[in-house]
Amino acid sequence: RKEVEQDPGPFNVPEGATVAFNCTYSNSASQSFFWYRQDCRKEPKLLMSVYSSGNEDGRFTAQLNRASQYISLLIRDSKLSDSATYLCVVNTPTYQFYFGTGTSLTVIP
Amino acid sequence: GAGVSQSPSNKVTEKGKDVELRCDPISGHTALYWYRQSLGQGLEFLIYFQGNSAPDKSGLPSDRFSAERTGGSVSTLTIQRTQQEDSAVYLCASSLPPGQGTYFGPGTRLTVL
Repeated sequence: RKEVEQDPGPFNVPEGATVAFNCTYSNSASQSFFWYRQDCRKEPKLLMSVYSSGNEDGRFTAQLNRASQYISLLIRDSKLSDSATYLCVVNTPTYQFYFGTGTSLTVIP
Repeated sequence: GAGVSQSPSNKVTEKGKDVELRCDPISGHTALYWYRQSLGQGLEFLIYFQGNSAPDKSGLPSDRFSAERTGGSVSTLTIQRTQQEDSAVYLCASSLPPGQGTYFGPGTRLTVL
């Protein structure tokens, strides 16, 4: 079983839509969780950390469910510039970062 | 520097040659990571450094791959006797303490002919 699993998509949504991505992880001892964004042929960039209490950054909301071992990212009012691949990342107690394979999002005018 | 830098940005080599890839992490970042990403694929963890030591080398795909870090800063990833399947983008990332969000360099695109 993979350490981190994500639905690869693709998700094609109209501008203004709300879209959610989920990601599951297998190591219950995982400690830190993140969402990264990767544009085509670019390096991943940290989008936001994910906290147990849930956290919001503008149009982006991240949530963690430790009991079910999944993290989610919600994007409200999608913009064309949100088109990218979104990677969930899980950090284990041994400080390995495991990346999901990414979910592709295309926002359509 | 302001961010993680990597060199070279592109490397084309012939099968069987050795290559060295360099990573300069963000100043003061104690944790350094190497990943590789094949076209259209996810990131594959290679190795993690805390300071100059590598507690986890489990991701290195074969004994042709080695990495070192000196002075708690610069790291080099060496691939000996390169094979075509080594072609990928090699990404370096660093973080302040381990476990925090990591910041990536632009990567080295390696092509083995």
